[in-house]
This record gives sequence, C-alpha cells and structure tokens, in this order.
Amino acid sequence: QVQLRESGPGLVRPSETLSLTCAVSGGSIRGYRWNWIRQSAGKGLEWIGRVDDSETIYNPSLKSRVAMSLDTSRSQFSLQVRSVTAADTAFYYCARGTAAADYWGQGTLVTVS
Amino acid sequence: DIQMTQSPSSVSASVGDRVTITCRASRAIGPWLAWYQVKPGKAPKLLIHVISSLQSGVSSRFSGSGSGTDFTLTISSLQPEDFATYYCQQADRFPWTFGQGTRVEIK
Repeated sequence: QVQLRESGPGLVRPSETLSLTCAVSGGSIRGYRWNWIRQSAGKGLEWIGRVDDSETIYNPSLKSRVAMSLDTSRSQFSLQVRSVTAADTAFYYCARGTAAADYWGQGTLVTVS
Repeated sequence: DIQMTQSPSSVSASVGDRVTITCRASRAIGPWLAWYQVKPGKAPKLLIHVISSLQSGVSSRFSGSGSGTDFTLTISSLQPEDFATYYCQQADRFPWTFGQGTRVEIK
C-alpha cells in the first residue's frame, strides 16, 4: 500500500520560505507524477503543482514563488514557497496522480505568522 | 483557469437517503473529472475518476455521471460514514481546479 507523509515546519515567518517534504513508501516514486495541493481555512482545495522524473508544472497563480523537486534516491519530493504571507497559511497535502490524485498524505498545517 | 461550480454548497440528509451533488465546469472538459471525499483530519479520498470510474475499494453506492460541462456524484443510500465534504476536480487543463465543496450533513 502506497503511503505518503508530509513533513516540515508548522510555523513560518512572513517573507520567509516554506519548505515541505513528502516521503513515499510502499511503492516506487519513479514513473509517477507527484502533486502538492493545499487547503486554506474555510476555503476549498488549490492545486499548487506537480513534479515527475522529467518536468515540473506549477499553478500560474503561484509559479513565481514555487519550486518543486524529486529525489528518487530518497523516495521523496519537496515543495518550496518563497516570500510567504498569511495567505499561504493552509493545510498542505502531497498526492500521487496524473489526472486524479489516488494517494494522499494526511496533510500538514503550515501557519505563516 | 477552468472554474468548477458545485451545488448545493451543503445538504442535510438522513441515513438511507439518495444524495446528488452537481458540478459545472466553465467550459467543456473531456473525461478528466474526479470526485473526492474529505473528512477533517483525514487524507482526502478519491471516489470517482474519469467521470464515472469507481476507484478501487470504494463502495458501489457512489456513482458518477455527466459530460461536457455538467457532472453529477450520486450516493445511492447514504451511510453514517458518508457524512463529509465532497469536491469535484478537473484535469482537462492546467492548473487542476476544484469545486468549492459540498458538505453533506446529518439531518
């Protein structure tokens, strides 16, 4: 059974960089597409972007501040969001999928304050 | 971006009721429409992908249908574990976008 687990600081100062890692276990990280999705309090789900072996695709609304990378040797992938503001406070999820996300992490709350 | 609009935003229903949630896309999308169930503190769960394909392990009381811009998620007989928030999601064009969610509450 594929499992994903997000990790990273729960509190980030405004204007600093949010950094999260998603560890993948129970399956290969190669050959799949890996997404970051967030949910702000009282709001819906927002797709941040995805990464795989050959490319990264970002949501244009965040593209100037976001970077994702894949580390196949460690079976993990990561997210960085630069210059964060309170609007970046959210639950951050990592998820696997090309057109739908079939496996998700439990999510991690990141507060910008 | 493709806007996804769900209705209703919330519904009160009883165990055993049939519940229907609709999702409308701002432009026609191909088959790349999925539905998720989200409960507080739990990982979101994929229910349906490519409009009507039931994800492995998901109860057959969930079904999806639709085409073009209009899509539907139906729960044929609501069970206690189904009280949650449901989201549609399109992957026809980047960025993926989600509906605003439909909360299914206990009546």
